[in-house]
Amino acid sequence: KAGVTQTPRYLIKTRGQQVTLSCSPISGHRSVSWYQQTPGQGLQFLFEYFSETQRNKGNFPGRFSGRQFSNSRSEMNVSTLELGDSALYLCASSLANRDPGYTFGSGTRLTVV
Amino acid sequence: AQTVTQSQPEMSVQEAETVTLSCTYDTSESDYYLFWYKQPPSRQMILVIRQEAYKQQNATENRFSVNFQKAAKSFSLKISDSQLGDAAMYFCAYDFEATNKLIFGTGTLLAVQP
Repeated sequence: KAGVTQTPRYLIKTRGQQVTLSCSPISGHRSVSWYQQTPGQGLQFLFEYFSETQRNKGNFPGRFSGRQFSNSRSEMNVSTLELGDSALYLCASSLANRDPGYTFGSGTRLTVV
Repeated sequence: AQTVTQSQPEMSVQEAETVTLSCTYDTSESDYYLFWYKQPPSRQMILVIRQEAYKQQNATENRFSVNFQKAAKSFSLKISDSQLGDAAMYFCAYDFEATNKLIFGTGTLLAVQP
């Protein structure tokens, strides 16, 4: 079966622009979480969606937002990009509520110049 | 707040030998999961092993096993018969009640010497 698909793989944006990243979970998975990975801060939780509802949110500014569609695909948006937003953005999906079987995508590498 | 600490930034092991990666965590909760993930240069986070806190028996997956000490809040990973393909960054992670809100340690970069 297909894994978790994240698009695009690489992205270069200019400071001040906005960006949208996409995550398609494994078919049938309903929970999607997003993580930011940087050399300085490591892996940090952004938010988690289940059945189109955001259930948890990490400690990130309001410039970071997300949503989940009825087919469980999720997008995250970052507005007014800053140099510090350069990172690898990973998403992880799981089948059901309270199911710890997480599968990660290969991530989107965002570079802000 | 829950925290996960990996005190070994880098480790090295000879091929076919055994290596243990350390992880400690802090939580006041009783229902949680602990994970070891491997991240090779391909960037994808791959699950190595998972431990449910309510299970006293240590999890094992082929050459990978854990030493879960709940009272000490310690969760180490032992890799036996190390292979070149085991070289990667290894992350220890904590998840409260399987909420898909993982808290990661800072990682241990494992090198495997031929």
